[in-house]
Amino acid sequence: DAGVIQSPRHEVTEMGQEVTLRCKPISGHNSLFWYRQTMMRGLELLIYFNNNVPIDDSGMPEDRFSAKMPNASFSTLKIQPSEPRDSAVYFCASSLSSNEQFFGPGTRLTVL
Amino acid sequence: DQQVKQNSPSLSVQEGRISILNCDYTNSMFDYFLWYKKYPAEGPTFLISISSIKDKNEDGRFTVFLNKSAKHLSLHIVPSQPGDSAVYFCAATSGGSNYKLTFGKGTLLTVNP
Repeated sequence: DAGVIQSPRHEVTEMGQEVTLRCKPISGHNSLFWYRQTMMRGLELLIYFNNNVPIDDSGMPEDRFSAKMPNASFSTLKIQPSEPRDSAVYFCASSLSSNEQFFGPGTRLTVL
Repeated sequence: DQQVKQNSPSLSVQEGRISILNCDYTNSMFDYFLWYKKYPAEGPTFLISISSIKDKNEDGRFTVFLNKSAKHLSLHIVPSQPGDSAVYFCAATSGGSNYKLTFGKGTLLTVNP
């Protein structure tokens, strides 16, 4: 099992640029989560998909953030335009109808 | 307002001794609790969990204790090994939205050889 796959692992961009983070969940899992980790706020849930449908996006900080899940094996998190305060580690996780979530290795985003 | 708190940012123990990591929560609706372990440059990995109907759950060297009246849980690692050095996150969820994990900020455990 390859686990949850995220790309890129590191992203450095300039303020105002569009950033797209990608995630491939574990095959067969029906729930997908995007988290953001910062020193100040720790791990925060941004959005949750179930069967490819967004169920809870209350954690998305503002309209600059958007997430899609066009099929069961792929999701994107997009930030447009990016700002320095978006710098963080972004994790994707997936699960199969249980409390145990399997996390990817994360994408470290730096916005200059 | 932090609903899950890990008040010790770091903990250092000697190999072979017991490590005790603590977690407090404020939301009385939480009824399921998990511990995750995280190594640098990796995502968190599930370690052990406990339902609110229990007060103890054991898995090998890892035991989680839950004190509902105090809204407190702890993770015991016995004996501690250098490979246990990692950041440990406590997380909680409620039956009504069992997908939504609320995490503490983590405790960095260092086990010295």
